[in-house]
Amino acid sequence: GENVEQHPSTLSVQEGDSAVIKCTYSDSASNYFPWYKQELGKRPQLIIDIRSNVGEKKDQRIAVTLNKTAKHFSLHITETQPEDSAVYFCAADHYGNKLVFGAGTILRVKS
Amino acid sequence: NAGVMQNPRHLVRRRGQEARLRCSPMKGHSHVYWYRQLPEEGLKFMVYLQKENIIDESGMPKERFSAEFPKEGPSILRIQQVVRGDSAAYFCASSPPTGIEGYTFGSGTRLTVV
Repeated sequence: GENVEQHPSTLSVQEGDSAVIKCTYSDSASNYFPWYKQELGKRPQLIIDIRSNVGEKKDQRIAVTLNKTAKHFSLHITETQPEDSAVYFCAADHYGNKLVFGAGTILRVKS
Repeated sequence: NAGVMQNPRHLVRRRGQEARLRCSPMKGHSHVYWYRQLPEEGLKFMVYLQKENIIDESGMPKERFSAEFPKEGPSILRIQQVVRGDSAAYFCASSPPTGIEGYTFGSGTRLTVV
């Protein structure tokens, strides 16, 4: 089945700096790669996603890149702010049926 | 649109009791997924259901856990004879019949076994 690995497990950055979180997946049939943000005690919320026919997607300060050949994708957050502090999860679909999640990255933005 | 509704938000059970967790998908969504999140850990897939059908239960423990999504009413995750190790947040997600995009999570049920 699909296996998703996520790095780093924790990331501390200074406010205004960029943050990059990387994921690799195992199943070459995966086509959909969303990213979720989870604040303490709350539900995971979709922040950006990308399909395999696209190499990069941007939404304001957030971007996702996908390298389908290498089977890895990354989340980039620019000009980080304290409210970006949260746990971020990457995911990949398994035959279009379910999402398999990475273990998560705790992002701390220091002001 | 009320989103994915889960109840109860918090559930306390003594060891050996049964826990019933409910999930109503978003309007227009027909696919339901259950995930378990242990403290400070990731989201572990448990089961994927459509109305009256279990599509994938590869993440469900073999004993004590069961799930259903009846023709009428919410999806139910049932844990029998709970143990302390079952304490976790259980999240339900739903997606539309058109595909996996739009995968939306509920607020979760936090189960504490005492």
